[in-house]
Amino acid sequence: KAGVTQTPRYLIKTRGQQVTLSCSPISGHRSVSWYQQTPGQGLQFLFEYFSETQRNKGNFPGRFSGRQFSNSRSEMNVSTLELGDSALYLCASRARGQGASDTQYFGPGTRLTVL
Amino acid sequence: GENVEQHPSTLSVQEGDSAVIKCTYSDSASNYFPWYKQELGKRPQLIIDIRSNVGEKKDQRIAVTLNKTAKHFSLHITETQPEDSAVYFCAASSYGGSQGNLIFGKGTKLSVKP
Repeated sequence: KAGVTQTPRYLIKTRGQQVTLSCSPISGHRSVSWYQQTPGQGLQFLFEYFSETQRNKGNFPGRFSGRQFSNSRSEMNVSTLELGDSALYLCASRARGQGASDTQYFGPGTRLTVL
Repeated sequence: GENVEQHPSTLSVQEGDSAVIKCTYSDSASNYFPWYKQELGKRPQLIIDIRSNVGEKKDQRIAVTLNKTAKHFSLHITETQPEDSAVYFCAASSYGGSQGNLIFGKGTKLSVKP
């Protein structure tokens, strides 16, 4: 099976712009979670989607949003970019959404740099 | 909400020695505890996980122990090799209900010197 894929792998944007990142989960996986990784804060949970619905949300401002499509692919959007949004954005997929402690598999990440 | 603390932040060992990384969590409802290894420039990869109904789990040179009463869990790597050098993250989650998020520790940078 192909692993989790993310596009693009690298992005450079300027403050005030917006950005959309894409994640394709492992075939058959229905849950997608997004994480932000920075040297200072480590890995922080952004949100989780299952069956096209946001199921859980981390402590991030409303500028961070996401969605999931019927084929389980997910996108996240960051509007009005700030310098502090520079990070590696990781998505992870797992087989089931609720009530199951199954493994999350990570994608390679999208490296976002905000100038 | 859940909070996970991880120690030490850096660890240097000689090849062949053992390495131990410790994590504590705050939410007694947490019932799933994975460990991820992240090499430089690579994605985090699961190396072992443990669920709350188990006290210890082993996979070759890697073992994880869980003490639910004290709310801490540890990663043990025996006979370390240079390829074990990486950043290791512990995490905790409650999968009961709708929660599927992982709360991560800040990571431990392990260096194995040949």
